[in-house]
Amino acid sequence: SSELTQDPTVSVASGQTVSITCQGDSLRSSYASWYQQKPGQAPVLVIYGKNKRPSGIPDRFSGSSSGNTASLTITGAQAEDEADYYCNSRDTSGAHVVFGGGTKLTVL
Amino acid sequence: QVQLQESGPGLVKASETLSLTCTVSGASISPFYWSWIRQPPGKGLEWIGYIYNTGSTNYNPSLKSRVTMSVDTPKNQFSLKLDSVTAADTAVYYCARLGSAMVTSGISSYYYYYMDVWGKGTTVTVSS
Repeated sequence: SSELTQDPTVSVASGQTVSITCQGDSLRSSYASWYQQKPGQAPVLVIYGKNKRPSGIPDRFSGSSSGNTASLTITGAQAEDEADYYCNSRDTSGAHVVFGGGTKLTVL
Repeated sequence: QVQLQESGPGLVKASETLSLTCTVSGASISPFYWSWIRQPPGKGLEWIGYIYNTGSTNYNPSLKSRVTMSVDTPKNQFSLKLDSVTAADTAVYYCARLGSAMVTSGISSYYYYYMDVWGKGTTVTVSS
């Protein structure tokens, strides 16, 4: 099992707001980064650091953190946002990189 | 525009060594960290390890005994070797550029890793 825990599935109605969470003790001293992966494609970085978005990522994607939980929020979800989302951060030792188990987002 | 391309055999026999190379174009391999990640069919992402352009490495503890990474700066490439493979090593293997930083907020410091450029991935199947 991963040191970062994600809900396996989340659904949202088109145009509504959804948050995907990532829990882990290491998140008390680390920010999570978030990746979007569509079927058959490589992951794409969507959020890193304290709510930073790489160039080309829509501003409807945002990140936040509280205690041991990091959240990726999509404000006004679109059909093209349907994908798997992974968080990553340090492990509890601080020495290695870990990924969460992933969340499959369905846009209804 | 930085691009990464994985290359190597798509089929490896069980007990043998998996060898992959990632070629970096559009940027120098220095002074960055470079990572390998894999994804078994239908499963999530697993970090394998990373290497700095100086050759220093950091491996996933669960794979450390079987993994070797190296860097070839003149060729702008870095490589992965995974020994004694089994069917459980069948996966899509990705290379990626790894960034890391620390942010100080008040009396607290927050670290983070991020992988901002990824290769398209290469499928490796371990056959018996």
